[in-house]
Amino acid sequence: DQQVKQNSPSLSVQEGRISILNCDYTNSMFDYFLWYKKYPAEGPTFLISISSIKDKNEDGRFTVFLNKSAKHLSLHIVPSQPGDSAVYFCAATARGGTSYGKLTFGQGTILTVHP
Amino acid sequence: DARVTQTPRHKVTEMGQEVTMRCQPILGHNTVFWYRQTMMQGLELLAYFRNRAPLDDSGMPKDRFSAEMPDATLATLKIQPSEPRDSAVYFCASGLGAPTGLHTEAFFGQGTRLTVV
Repeated sequence: DQQVKQNSPSLSVQEGRISILNCDYTNSMFDYFLWYKKYPAEGPTFLISISSIKDKNEDGRFTVFLNKSAKHLSLHIVPSQPGDSAVYFCAATARGGTSYGKLTFGQGTILTVHP
Repeated sequence: DARVTQTPRHKVTEMGQEVTMRCQPILGHNTVFWYRQTMMQGLELLAYFRNRAPLDDSGMPKDRFSAEMPDATLATLKIQPSEPRDSAVYFCASGLGAPTGLHTEAFFGQGTRLTVV
């Protein structure tokens, strides 16, 4: 039962253009969402997050959008740079209940930014 | 420089052998996660602890996997006996959680790449 889904295994983008990575979730209890970036041979590192009380959060070139009614979130990277090439994981958690703080991840999307 | 430390970084073992992976969470963090990265499933949660108590280990095959926190500075993940299908990268992560939820994002270690032949 995949509660967090990233349906695009890979994405290829030209340097300077926008990268849009998508994520869908099924559990309506999720109220906090995170994006992680992972380089080869390293652990995932936190990138940006958003609470369910917001629909947008921005940090420099990175913006996360949340559409609660569609149970969908997206990460926008503008402008994309070759150093952004990595695997991007979407994660979700419910901050209440017995499993509070449990992070559920998607399968990841490989982003390649071409010079 | 606070970081999550995992040992060993790489492990090659024969099928049937016991494997123990270790994790030192960031000092002061009270939540520890064990994840496994596979091509098909992405990052699968195996188990997680808060204040050293197991909160959820439903993602872990109970017959061969076990996870413990002997103390606040050490988490272990053990596989006995190991099988080729256990070959994956195993990540430990730690964070600061509270009844109202996770205060901070989880910080990941560099992982243990396990190969069972």
